[in-house]
Amino acid sequence: SQKIEQNSEALNIQEGKTATLTCNYTNYSPAYLQWYRQDPGRGPVFLLLIRENEKEKRKERLKVTFDTTLKQSLFHITASQPADSATYLCALDGTGGGNKLTFGTGTQLKVEL
Amino acid sequence: NAGVTQTPKFQVLKTGQSMTLQCAQDMNHNSMYWYRQDPGMGLRLIYYSASEGTTDKGEVPNGYNVSRLNKREFSLRLESAAPSQTSVYFCASRPPGGVTEQFFGPGTRLTVL
Repeated sequence: SQKIEQNSEALNIQEGKTATLTCNYTNYSPAYLQWYRQDPGRGPVFLLLIRENEKEKRKERLKVTFDTTLKQSLFHITASQPADSATYLCALDGTGGGNKLTFGTGTQLKVEL
Repeated sequence: NAGVTQTPKFQVLKTGQSMTLQCAQDMNHNSMYWYRQDPGMGLRLIYYSASEGTTDKGEVPNGYNVSRLNKREFSLRLESAAPSQTSVYFCASRPPGGVTEQFFGPGTRLTVL
């Protein structure tokens, strides 16, 4: 079955630096991949979507890459701010239709002053 | 627009009790989803509804039933709650057409004693 791996250890970085989060997957070739942000006690919020034929996608300070050979997506936040502190989830389109998503467990990012 | 709303926000049940979690969206979305989120497990799909009148099982459907009452509402029922169903439950919806993101509700935190 498809498996998604995100670093379970929290990532701590200094304000102003670039945060890079990793999403690896196995046993699947997704047509697209999505990244969500989740704050404590709240539901996930969509950030970016990238298709398999796209290498890179940008939105303001966010950048996502998608390497279908390595089966990996990287999520970058440039000029990070304390307000970027949250858990970031990657999600792949699932099998069986219905536009279902399979989510990773998420990586917690802490941006320190 | 209120987006995706869920009730209740918190609930404590005793083993064997039943309850229904309510979800509604006012965005005219066709597809709706129920997930549970547990520490270290990520979001797991319980049931989904691709359109009004249809429902289908996700990854972890055992112990749950759903009803797609109309286009707006999608409820999740626990007929006989078990401690293993202690979790945070999220409802989500997705706009029609093509590849799009999911919109999540604020969640229901359920504890089964």
